Amino acid sequence: KNQVEQSPQSLIILEGKNCTLQCNYTVSPFSNLRWYKQDTGRGPVSLTIMTFSENTKSNGRYTATLDADTKQSSLHITASQLSDSASYICVVSARTSYDKVIFGPGTSLSVIP
Amino acid sequence: DAGVIQSPRHEVTEMGQEVTLRCKPISGHNSLFWYRQTMMRGLELLIYFNNNVPIDDSGMPEDRFSAKMPNASFSTLKIQPSEPRDSAVYFCASSLGEGRAQETQYFGPGTRLLVL
Repeated sequence: KNQVEQSPQSLIILEGKNCTLQCNYTVSPFSNLRWYKQDTGRGPVSLTIMTFSENTKSNGRYTATLDADTKQSSLHITASQLSDSASYICVVSARTSYDKVIFGPGTSLSVIP
Repeated sequence: DAGVIQSPRHEVTEMGQEVTLRCKPISGHNSLFWYRQTMMRGLELLIYFNNNVPIDDSGMPEDRFSAKMPNASFSTLKIQPSEPRDSAVYFCASSLGEGRAQETQYFGPGTRLLVL
């Protein structure tokens, strides 16, 4: 069964600290993995996307990694800011005729001063 | 660019009533997606269109839900009759190409629906 799991469910960190969010998946055949940031009351915004051959992708202070062998991804946030407080959603696509998309439950991050 | 536009932003209705959600995709985008988000189930893809044609509607929960895209700049998601379990945030998104997973989707602000 195609599934995406994320951990932790929620996280609180101090401003300026780093953090890492985890995503494990059992999607097959794998097409790509995307991380979204969703601010409260708004739609998700894409941060990074990685295909099978990519193992790291950066977007400013956000760095995503992918290990296709272990079917794990992580999103590392460096020098966190208050504006990083949001839900982070891992989305994995299966290579089908029209790319089946499986969403993770998200990790809720709170950055406090 | 105004981005994806959704209306209404909030809707409160009584069980059994018809609800119509509206979406205007980004101009020039060829694919449009409808999602539902709840605390229990997270984000779920309901249906997506490419060039105004429904491609995958396997996520539509039941016959009470229907979606149309009469032209490239407008889509509706209708629930008739509505039920309390339909309460959720409904997002519309659009992308430039055929709607494949590698394309970036741009989400609207969502419609928060409450069915009493």
